[in-house]
Amino acid sequence: EDKVVQSPLSLVVHEGDTVTLNCSYEVTNFRSLLWYKQEKKAPTFLFMLTSSGIEKKSGRLSSILDKKELFSILNITATQTGDSAVYLCAVENYGGSQGNLIFGKGTKLSVKP
Amino acid sequence: EAGVTQFPSHSVIEKGQTVTLRCDPISGHDNLYWYRRVMGKEIKFLLHFVKESKQDESGMPNNRFLAERTGGTYSTLKVQPAELEDSGVYFCASSQDSWYIQYFGAGTRLSVL
Repeated sequence: EDKVVQSPLSLVVHEGDTVTLNCSYEVTNFRSLLWYKQEKKAPTFLFMLTSSGIEKKSGRLSSILDKKELFSILNITATQTGDSAVYLCAVENYGGSQGNLIFGKGTKLSVKP
Repeated sequence: EAGVTQFPSHSVIEKGQTVTLRCDPISGHDNLYWYRRVMGKEIKFLLHFVKESKQDESGMPNNRFLAERTGGTYSTLKVQPAELEDSGVYFCASSQDSWYIQYFGAGTRLSVL
């Protein structure tokens, strides 16, 4: 069965710390891996990764994909309280519906002042 | 540009009743997806529309769930009759094309008592 596993499930850090969130996957027909940030309501898009070894970067956030080892990491440097959220990893399964996303349970990040 | 909007934000009904959830995708997005997250579990795919056609409904749990997208604009998801296990958060997402990023709504929290 296709699955996406995120770790840790929950993380508490202090402002200024750097965090690494992990996402591993087993999906039959991989097409892309996406990271979303969910604060109160709607998950908001962060990154889409399709190729191994190419880092995507947006401000203090960066992500990279390893298609050989089937995982991705999301790094957040110099964390701020506004980074507190649930970070969702999803893998696009091309075998079924185009764009059928398989989600992990998420990592809840809490950044303390 | 307005994002994906969902209505209502929260619905509380009794077992056996009927509930209809609505999703308005981003204007011009042909692809519309429904997902569900039950407590403690990951977000799971329900179905995918391309315009008014159901591209994939493999994630629909049973025939108590009926999704429609008349005219290829907004979509409704009806649960009839609702059961306790239907409780959860129902997310809608839309994308311009099946290859593009899915943008999510804030979700409808359904509580079946």
